[in-house]
Parts: sequence; C-alpha cells; structure tokens
Amino acid sequence: KAGVTQTPRYLIKTRGQQVTLSCSPISGHRSVSWYQQTPGQGLQFLFEYFSETQRNKGNFPGRFSGRQFSNSRSEMNVSTLELGDSALYLCASSLSPTENYGYTFGSGTRLTVV
Amino acid sequence: AQRVTQPEKLLSVFKGAPVELKCNYSYSGSPELFWYVQYSRQRLQLLLRHISRESIKGFTADLNKGETSFHLKKPFAQEEDSAMYYCALGKAAGNKLTFGGGTRVLVKP
Repeated sequence: KAGVTQTPRYLIKTRGQQVTLSCSPISGHRSVSWYQQTPGQGLQFLFEYFSETQRNKGNFPGRFSGRQFSNSRSEMNVSTLELGDSALYLCASSLSPTENYGYTFGSGTRLTVV
Repeated sequence: AQRVTQPEKLLSVFKGAPVELKCNYSYSGSPELFWYVQYSRQRLQLLLRHISRESIKGFTADLNKGETSFHLKKPFAQEEDSAMYYCALGKAAGNKLTFGGGTRVLVKP
C-alpha cells in the first residue's frame, strides 16, 4: 500500500511569504501529525490532527497552522516566513491517537527561506 | 515536561562488535517509548516499540523505569546498521512524540 505522501518535496520561499504543505496519510490512517526537523533543534512536534480536529499543538508561534480534511489529508501553513523556518517538515500518520503504535513518516518537504 | 536525552551524538564501532545506544527520559506518567531509525537518503522509520518487546534486525531495547532509560542494543553490529537513531517518548494515549537529539552510528568494516 502507498506510504505517507508529502508534496512538494522541495520549496524555496522568500521571507514574508506564506507556504502550504500537503500530506496524504496511509489509507485507513486517521491521525496525522507534523514535525519540524532542523540541525539545531532536532525533531520538534508541531501539531496533531484526528477527525479534522487538532488534538495537540507544540510550542510554535501562531504563524504555524494546520488543518485536516474529511479524507484525512492534512495541510500545514506557515505565514510570514522567517529565515529560521527553513527546515525539513515531516508528516506522520497512524491509525488513531488512542493507541500509540508508532508513526509512519513521509519523506518530508524541505523548505528553504531566503 | 517530557524530555529525551541521547548523550552520544556519534557512535563508531567495528563490524561484529556490540553496540549500545543510550536513551534517558523524564516523564511523570506512564511512558510509551520508541526507537526510530533513519538510513541514508531514506525516511524516518519505526524500529521498535517498548510495549511489543520485540527484536527487530537484531536490536532490542529494555525499558528501565527505575533508571528512566530505554537503551538500544545489538550484540553484533553490521555495516548496514550505519544510520541515525532517534529515541522517542510518547504519552500512554495520544500521538505527540518527544524525540531525543539522535545518535549517528557508524559501523566500520
């Protein structure tokens, strides 16, 4: 079966712009989470969605937002981009949030802010 | 607050030697612990979960609640084990994971 699909794979944006990243989970997976990976901070939790509802949110400013659609696909948006937002953004899906079987990760979207 | 510490950024071992990756955590509740691995140019993938007590690719990890540790071990390292390894802590219910900083393992021939 298809894995977690993230689009686009690479993005270059200018400071001040906004960006939307997309994630399609594994078929049947209803929980989608987003992580930011940087060399300095490592892997940091952004947010988690289940049944179109945000269940958890990490310690990121309000410029970072997300949503989940009825087909479980998810998008995350970053507004007013800053240089420090340059990172690999990983999406992960799992069956549900009530049992922690572990995630399946996508390949990520590498965002570069110039 | 949840925290995961992987004290070694780099572990270099020879093929056939034992390897142990350290992971310590702080969490006041009932933890769920995982090891994830990222091979070169591949996506992050789940290696093992403490609740399943399984052995994957020869790796095992034991949860020691007294020492708040979840060290990953393999008795005989192989070159294909060279990768980045992340220890992660989750809640008993819920999918927010806190990751350690990662340990890069290099297995030399």
